[in-house]
Amino acid sequence: IVLTQSPATLSLSPGERATLSCRASQSVGGYLAWYQQKPGQAPRLLIYDASNRATGIPARFSGSGSGTDFTLTISSLEPEDFAVYYCQQRSNWITFGQGTRLEIK
Amino acid sequence: QVQLQESGPGLVKPSETLSLTCTVSSGSISSYYWNWIRQPPGEGLEWIGHIFYSGSTNSNPSLKSRVTISVDTSKNQFSLNLTSVTAADTAVYFCARGYSSGMMDVWGQGTTVTVSS
Repeated sequence: IVLTQSPATLSLSPGERATLSCRASQSVGGYLAWYQQKPGQAPRLLIYDASNRATGIPARFSGSGSGTDFTLTISSLEPEDFAVYYCQQRSNWITFGQGTRLEIK
Repeated sequence: QVQLQESGPGLVKPSETLSLTCTVSSGSISSYYWNWIRQPPGEGLEWIGHIFYSGSTNSNPSLKSRVTISVDTSKNQFSLNLTSVTAADTAVYFCARGYSSGMMDVWGQGTTVTVSS
């Protein structure tokens, strides 16, 4: 299953709302996760099973979707949110999307 | 709090075998999937494979013929062997704890492996 993330790069200012998309080439049910990665760091789990926030993740992060279309929303961007975001599914084997870079405008 | 730490050579010669170990501390290796993921310089994440604590494995079809993942529950460790490496295998290699849903909630810091003569 191929995951396609859009946009590739998103330029926004702190305080704005970010909407990141992940589309699967076929249904993944509800088994989709989102990760945040900052330079030189390991990815951090944000959302699992499409809409559940992982432990310690702020409420400004939310996930939605099912089947083939998923969205990660950051309601009001904080300076520390500028990073690369990946979606991931686990069908027959695990695949990641190519990533969305969220940069400061 | 569970922590993962990758270890192994930082430099491997072409055609040789890349061997890495991930040590699980402050937690049990039982009841989880233990994953290997890699990230070539400047690129995205690629899942290599995983092993369930009982020993069953699954791996990326693109790497399957070269990948062996094993677990040593007595040492709370799991390992990756990747054979016949080329420069394309140069990457940061991460280990991570996973669940049946596929999510991976605890990651090691990553270790850089360069394939070069």
